[in-house]
Amino acid sequence: NAGVTQTPKFQVLKTGQSMTLQCAQDMNHNSMYWYRQDPGMGLRLIYYSASEGTTDKGEVPNGYNVSRLNKREFSLRLESAAPSQTSVYFCASTGTGRWHGYTFGSGTRLTVV
Amino acid sequence: AQSVTQLDSHVSVSEGTPVLLRCNYSSSYSPSLFWYVQHPNKGLQLLLKYTSAATLVKGINGFEAEFKKSETSFHLTKPSAHMSDAAEYFCVVSINTGTASKLTFGTGTRLQVTL
Repeated sequence: NAGVTQTPKFQVLKTGQSMTLQCAQDMNHNSMYWYRQDPGMGLRLIYYSASEGTTDKGEVPNGYNVSRLNKREFSLRLESAAPSQTSVYFCASTGTGRWHGYTFGSGTRLTVV
Repeated sequence: AQSVTQLDSHVSVSEGTPVLLRCNYSSSYSPSLFWYVQHPNKGLQLLLKYTSAATLVKGINGFEAEFKKSETSFHLTKPSAHMSDAAEYFCVVSINTGTASKLTFGTGTRLQVTL
Protein backbone atom coordinates (compact mmCIF):
# COMPACT_ATOMS: atom_id res chain seq x y z
CA ASN A 1 0.00 0.00 0.00
CA ALA A 2 1.27 3.44 -0.94
CA GLY A 3 1.98 5.77 1.92
CA VAL A 4 4.39 6.99 4.57
CA THR A 5 6.07 4.45 6.81
CA GLN A 6 7.62 5.38 10.14
CA THR A 7 9.78 3.25 12.39
CA PRO A 8 9.79 2.55 15.25
CA LYS A 9 6.22 2.98 16.50
CA PHE A 10 7.22 3.20 20.15
CA GLN A 11 10.50 4.02 21.88
CA VAL A 12 11.66 4.71 25.42
CA LEU A 13 14.99 6.47 25.86
CA LYS A 14 17.03 7.53 28.82
CA THR A 15 18.08 11.16 29.08
CA GLY A 16 21.23 11.69 27.03
CA GLN A 17 20.75 8.72 24.72
CA SER A 18 20.59 9.19 20.97
CA MET A 19 18.32 7.68 18.37
CA THR A 20 17.14 8.08 14.80
CA LEU A 21 13.55 8.02 13.66
CA GLN A 22 13.13 6.65 10.17
CA CYS A 23 10.60 7.73 7.56
CA ALA A 24 10.07 6.49 4.02
CA GLN A 25 7.46 7.32 1.38
CA ASP A 26 6.71 5.50 -1.85
CA MET A 27 4.57 8.13 -3.59
CA ASN A 28 7.45 9.89 -5.38
CA HIS A 29 6.76 13.03 -3.34
CA ASN A 30 9.31 15.82 -3.43
CA SER A 31 8.72 17.33 0.02
CA MET A 32 8.96 15.63 3.38
CA TYR A 33 8.38 16.89 6.91
CA TRP A 34 8.82 16.05 10.57
CA TYR A 35 6.28 17.23 13.11
CA ARG A 36 5.86 16.72 16.81
CA GLN A 37 2.51 16.59 18.53
CA ASP A 38 2.04 17.61 22.13
CA PRO A 39 -1.26 17.86 24.04
CA GLY A 40 -3.09 21.13 23.44
CA MET A 41 -0.51 22.37 20.93
CA GLY A 42 -1.47 20.74 17.67
CA LEU A 43 1.39 19.69 15.43
CA ARG A 44 4.54 21.78 15.20
CA LEU A 45 7.03 21.61 12.37
CA ILE A 46 10.54 20.50 13.35
CA TYR A 47 12.33 20.27 10.00
CA TYR A 48 11.34 19.88 6.40
CA SER A 49 12.93 18.97 3.11
CA ALA A 50 11.57 20.67 0.01
CA SER A 51 13.42 18.28 -2.28
CA GLU A 52 16.19 15.73 -2.26
CA GLY A 53 19.39 17.33 -1.01
CA THR A 54 17.77 20.23 0.86
CA THR A 55 16.64 20.61 4.46
CA ASP A 56 15.33 23.60 6.41
CA LYS A 57 14.40 24.38 9.99
CA GLY A 58 10.81 24.60 11.04
CA GLU A 59 9.25 26.07 14.13
CA VAL A 60 10.96 23.90 16.79
CA PRO A 61 14.30 22.56 15.44
CA ASN A 62 16.44 22.75 18.58
CA GLY A 63 17.76 19.39 19.72
CA TYR A 64 17.13 17.70 16.37
CA ASN A 65 18.97 16.99 13.15
CA VAL A 66 17.68 15.57 9.89
CA SER A 67 18.98 13.81 6.81
CA ARG A 68 17.29 13.54 3.45
CA LEU A 69 18.99 10.33 2.42
CA ASN A 70 17.32 10.14 -0.98
CA LYS A 71 13.95 11.06 -2.44
CA ARG A 72 12.18 8.35 -0.43
CA GLU A 73 13.76 8.67 3.00
CA PHE A 74 13.91 11.46 5.58
CA SER A 75 15.30 10.67 9.03
CA LEU A 76 15.14 12.61 12.28
CA ARG A 77 17.94 12.29 14.83
CA LEU A 78 18.00 13.13 18.50
CA GLU A 79 21.66 13.41 19.51
CA SER A 80 21.10 13.73 23.25
CA ALA A 81 17.51 13.09 24.24
CA ALA A 82 15.83 15.24 26.88
CA PRO A 83 12.51 14.73 28.71
CA SER A 84 11.14 17.78 26.85
CA GLN A 85 11.40 15.72 23.67
CA THR A 86 8.80 13.26 24.93
CA SER A 87 6.17 13.53 22.23
CA VAL A 88 4.52 11.84 19.30
CA TYR A 89 6.44 12.37 16.08
CA PHE A 90 4.84 12.37 12.66
CA CYS A 91 6.48 12.25 9.30
CA ALA A 92 4.60 13.59 6.28
CA SER A 93 5.12 14.03 2.56
CA THR A 94 3.50 15.95 -0.25
CA GLY A 95 3.78 16.40 -3.95
CA THR A 96 4.02 19.66 -5.89
CA GLY A 97 1.09 21.96 -6.37
CA ARG A 98 -1.59 23.70 -4.37
CA TRP A 99 -4.02 20.82 -4.66
CA HIS A 100 -1.77 18.31 -2.97
CA GLY A 101 -2.71 17.29 0.52
CA TYR A 102 -0.22 15.81 2.88
CA THR A 103 0.09 12.14 3.68
CA PHE A 104 1.09 11.38 7.26
CA GLY A 105 2.73 8.36 8.78
CA SER A 106 1.16 6.61 11.75
CA GLY A 107 3.51 8.25 14.24
CA THR A 108 6.29 7.35 16.67
CA ARG A 109 5.50 7.66 20.36
CA LEU A 110 8.75 8.62 22.11
CA THR A 111 9.21 8.77 25.87
CA VAL A 112 12.40 10.15 27.39
CA VAL A 113 12.90 9.30 31.05
CA ALA B 1 3.01 34.93 8.53
CA GLN B 2 0.15 32.48 8.66
CA SER B 3 -1.81 31.19 11.61
CA VAL B 4 -4.89 29.22 12.44
CA THR B 5 -7.21 29.60 15.42
CA GLN B 6 -9.62 26.88 16.35
CA LEU B 7 -12.18 28.60 18.49
CA ASP B 8 -13.24 25.60 20.58
CA SER B 9 -10.91 23.12 22.21
CA HIS B 10 -13.79 20.75 22.96
CA VAL B 11 -17.23 20.30 21.37
CA SER B 12 -19.88 17.87 22.57
CA VAL B 13 -22.94 16.93 20.49
CA SER B 14 -25.61 14.27 20.62
CA GLU B 15 -25.69 11.60 17.95
CA GLY B 16 -27.87 12.72 15.06
CA THR B 17 -27.46 16.46 15.71
CA PRO B 18 -25.41 18.88 13.59
CA VAL B 19 -21.70 19.42 14.09
CA LEU B 20 -19.96 22.80 13.81
CA LEU B 21 -16.22 23.11 14.38
CA ARG B 22 -14.96 26.66 13.98
CA CYS B 23 -11.71 27.80 12.42
CA ASN B 24 -10.34 31.25 11.61
CA TYR B 25 -7.16 31.77 9.67
CA SER B 26 -4.67 34.51 9.04
CA SER B 27 -2.53 34.57 5.94
CA SER B 28 -0.68 37.14 3.89
CA TYR B 29 -1.10 35.01 0.80
CA SER B 30 -3.98 33.19 -0.83
CA PRO B 31 -4.12 30.14 1.41
CA SER B 32 -4.83 26.50 0.95
CA LEU B 33 -6.87 25.22 3.85
CA PHE B 34 -7.41 21.72 5.13
CA TRP B 35 -9.24 19.83 7.80
CA TYR B 36 -7.61 16.71 9.20
CA VAL B 37 -9.08 14.18 11.62
CA GLN B 38 -7.18 12.10 14.14
CA HIS B 39 -8.83 9.18 15.88
CA PRO B 40 -7.37 8.05 19.22
CA ASN B 41 -3.85 6.69 18.89
CA LYS B 42 -4.00 6.99 15.10
CA GLY B 43 -2.36 9.10 12.45
CA LEU B 44 -3.94 12.03 10.63
CA GLN B 45 -6.43 11.61 7.84
CA LEU B 46 -7.35 14.31 5.33
CA LEU B 47 -11.05 15.20 5.55
CA LEU B 48 -11.18 17.92 2.92
CA LYS B 49 -9.20 20.73 1.31
CA TYR B 50 -9.81 24.18 -0.14
CA THR B 51 -7.45 25.37 -2.88
CA SER B 52 -9.23 28.41 -4.37
CA ALA B 53 -11.78 26.55 -6.43
CA ALA B 54 -15.35 26.27 -5.07
CA THR B 55 -15.79 27.95 -1.69
CA LEU B 56 -18.00 25.13 -0.39
CA VAL B 57 -15.86 22.04 -0.10
CA LYS B 58 -17.21 18.56 0.42
CA GLY B 59 -15.13 15.95 2.17
CA ILE B 60 -15.32 12.38 3.31
CA ASN B 61 -17.86 10.97 5.76
CA GLY B 62 -20.42 13.70 5.11
CA PHE B 63 -18.28 16.62 6.28
CA GLU B 64 -18.08 19.92 4.43
CA ALA B 65 -16.51 23.31 4.99
CA GLU B 66 -17.11 26.77 3.58
CA PHE B 67 -14.32 29.20 2.85
CA LYS B 68 -15.38 32.77 3.70
CA LYS B 69 -12.70 35.24 2.78
CA SER B 70 -14.53 38.25 4.26
CA GLU B 71 -14.68 36.49 7.63
CA THR B 72 -11.33 34.66 7.27
CA SER B 73 -13.12 31.52 8.35
CA PHE B 74 -13.17 27.88 7.30
CA HIS B 75 -15.71 26.20 9.57
CA LEU B 76 -16.30 22.45 9.40
CA THR B 77 -19.88 21.14 9.47
CA LYS B 78 -21.79 17.90 9.30
CA PRO B 79 -25.60 17.67 9.30
CA SER B 80 -25.86 14.65 11.56
CA ALA B 81 -23.19 13.39 13.95
CA HIS B 82 -22.33 9.73 14.26
CA MET B 83 -20.61 8.02 17.15
CA SER B 84 -17.68 7.21 14.86
CA ASP B 85 -17.07 10.95 14.37
CA ALA B 86 -15.65 11.24 17.89
CA ALA B 87 -12.05 12.31 17.30
CA GLU B 88 -9.74 15.30 17.27
CA TYR B 89 -10.02 17.68 14.33
CA PHE B 90 -7.31 20.00 13.09
CA CYS B 91 -7.73 23.03 10.87
CA VAL B 92 -4.60 23.60 8.83
CA VAL B 93 -3.34 26.36 6.54
CA SER B 94 -0.72 25.78 3.88
CA ILE B 95 1.47 28.37 2.26
CA ASN B 96 3.59 27.63 -0.78
CA THR B 97 6.80 29.62 -0.41
CA GLY B 98 8.13 28.70 -3.83
CA THR B 99 10.58 26.11 -2.56
CA ALA B 100 8.14 24.14 -0.44
CA SER B 101 4.74 24.35 1.10
CA LYS B 102 4.47 24.42 4.86
CA LEU B 103 1.54 23.53 7.05
CA THR B 104 0.52 25.45 10.14
CA PHE B 105 -1.81 23.54 12.44
CA GLY B 106 -4.48 24.79 14.79
CA THR B 107 -4.40 23.44 18.32
CA GLY B 108 -7.25 21.03 17.61
CA THR B 109 -10.89 20.54 18.59
CA ARG B 110 -11.88 17.37 20.36
CA LEU B 111 -15.35 16.25 19.23
CA GLN B 112 -17.34 14.17 21.67
CA VAL B 113 -20.52 12.43 20.45
CA THR B 114 -23.00 11.22 23.03
CA LEU B 115 -26.02 8.96 22.74
